[in-house]
Order: sequence, then C-alpha cells, then structure tokens
Amino acid sequence: GDSVTQMEGPVTLSEEAFLTINCTYTATGYPSLFWYVQYPGEGLQLLLKATKADDKGSNKGFEATYRKETTSFHLEKGSVQVSDSAVYFCARLHTGGGNKLTFGTGTQLKVEL
Amino acid sequence: EPEVTQTPSHQVTQMGQEVILRCVPISNHLYFYWYRQILGQKVEFLVSFYNNEISEKSEIFDDQFSVERPDGSNFTLKIRSTKLEDSAMYFCASSEGRHSPLHFGNGTRLTVT
Repeated sequence: GDSVTQMEGPVTLSEEAFLTINCTYTATGYPSLFWYVQYPGEGLQLLLKATKADDKGSNKGFEATYRKETTSFHLEKGSVQVSDSAVYFCARLHTGGGNKLTFGTGTQLKVEL
Repeated sequence: EPEVTQTPSHQVTQMGQEVILRCVPISNHLYFYWYRQILGQKVEFLVSFYNNEISEKSEIFDDQFSVERPDGSNFTLKIRSTKLEDSAMYFCASSEGRHSPLHFGNGTRLTVT
C-alpha cells in the first residue's frame, strides 16, 4: 500500500546550518508529494508541493525535488533560522484519486543560536 | 487569510462517554476531512466528506465514529463510547476542490481517561 518514510528526529542544528530531511515514498503510480510543517501549538500548514517527476517545490527558502528514480522528496534549506523550529511532515497523495494523504511520522527540527 | 478553526483545543472525557469535535472549514471549500495523530505516531486519515456524504473512510473509521455537517458552516466528528486508545490529536481539514491542497486546523487534543 501507499507509505511514506522519513528520517527520525529530532534534528538539532545551529542557525545558518544546511538542512536536509529525507523522505521516500512507495512507488505506486506518480503521486503528488507534499511537505507540511507544524509549528508549536499550531496546525499543519502546507509548506510546498510537487505534482510530477522532476518538479521542484519551494517556499520560504525550503526546496524539495520530486525524484522518480529514487522515489524521494527530500526537504532542504540552505540556512536555517531559529524560527524554522517545528515538526516537518512528508506526505503523498493516495493512489486512486481523491484527496487522501498518507503522512510520514514527522521529523522534529530544533534550531539553536 | 481564511483558516480552518477547531473547537475545543483540548477535550478531556471519561471512557465510555460520547464526544463531539467541532470544525469550521474555510467558507468556500467543498471537501472536508478528519485526520488523527496518536502521540508519537503518524498522522492518519479518518474520513473525507463531500456533498453531505462520506466519500471515503479508513478502516479506523468504524461504527464508533460519525461525521455530520449540521448547518452551512460546521463539520463535526462524533465519537461514541470513547476508549483510552481514542486519545489523540484530531485534525480537521478542508479543500476547495477534489485535488486542491488541504488546509488544516490547529487540532483538538482528545484525552480519554
């Protein structure tokens, strides 16, 4: 079935460090892929998305490229800030239509001064 | 920016009691969803709702659960005879169209004692 696997956290970085959070998905069809972010005390917010192979989603300095050959959608940011501290969720659209999302377990990011 | 609102933010109930979690989706959205996240686990799809009926539900969404859109603005999740394992964060979401991005609320933390 559909699944998403992302690296476990917490990930702790110093401000201005480079961030990578790995995400892979099961290769059933060519699903749309998403990164959601959850800041403390808030709901899930869509960070970026990609709908087909080789698409690059980007927002707020974050990027992720849809890699069909490696079934991956790794999240990257060149220089993180303390305000980026949050939980990041990778998700894929369920095969078969509709708008059902399958989420990864989430990766907590802590950015320190 | 319009947002999905959920009430209450935290609900404590005793085992066996019924709870109703409330959500106000974004006003021009037509598709509504409930997801839940048990502490430390993945965000899981429960149900999607369109045109006043359930369009899809997961195996988690058994007879204990029901959803309703009682008026033009609210979308509710009812859990009958709550169990300890129903303790989780419940997220409501809505989308404008069938393949549009989901907008999530801040969640209701349900604690069953």
